[in-house]
Amino acid sequence: KQEVTQIPAALSVPEGENLVLNCSFTDSAIYNLQWFRQDPGKGLTSLLLIQSSQREQTSGRLNASLDKSSGRSTLYIAASQPGDSATYLCAVSSYKLIFGSGTRLLVRP
Amino acid sequence: GAVVSQHPSRVICKSGTSVKIECRSLDFQATTMFWYRQFPKKSLMLMATSNEGSKATYEQGVEKDKFLINHASLTLSTLTVTSAHPEDSSFYICSAREREWEQYFGPGTRLTVT
Repeated sequence: KQEVTQIPAALSVPEGENLVLNCSFTDSAIYNLQWFRQDPGKGLTSLLLIQSSQREQTSGRLNASLDKSSGRSTLYIAASQPGDSATYLCAVSSYKLIFGSGTRLLVRP
Repeated sequence: GAVVSQHPSRVICKSGTSVKIECRSLDFQATTMFWYRQFPKKSLMLMATSNEGSKATYEQGVEKDKFLINHASLTLSTLTVTSAHPEDSSFYICSAREREWEQYFGPGTRLTVT
């Protein structure tokens, strides 16, 4: 049974810092891995999708890597801003999406 | 990009009543739609997978008679919470799949049962 774990559960950083969010999964037989952002009381915004054959994806200040063999992914946020404050969820796909519990990020001005 | 809508965005109902939540794919046809439930500060838990024209597949521990899912067309799936109780209060999110690997999520519905 696939299990997805995200560390840390919560993170508070001053504005401008670079930061890394971690995601690990137990079954490497996945189609892809996605990172989402969720603002309080809102739905999900897809940030990056990495296919199982890919190693990383970049979008603006975000970079996500995938090491399928070790069951790990990281989301790197460069030059963090207060507007980045949200919960970040990773999810792995093998027909259905299995979500991690999320990392609640607070970027302090 | 593909858009998925949910209606209503918020609903308050009395204990014992039923409430229906709609999920629509606005600009694409979704052969598969998914329903998730999210408790406060928790992650999304898949409740069921629905394929157009067939019965939904429920995850272990989800009562199919309580959470009725209908996927009558390629753009609409509905979740009906029957005989709602306060413990059913939660945030319900649907998603729709267009291609094999891409899911698009709705904005969610906040259900409060009093």
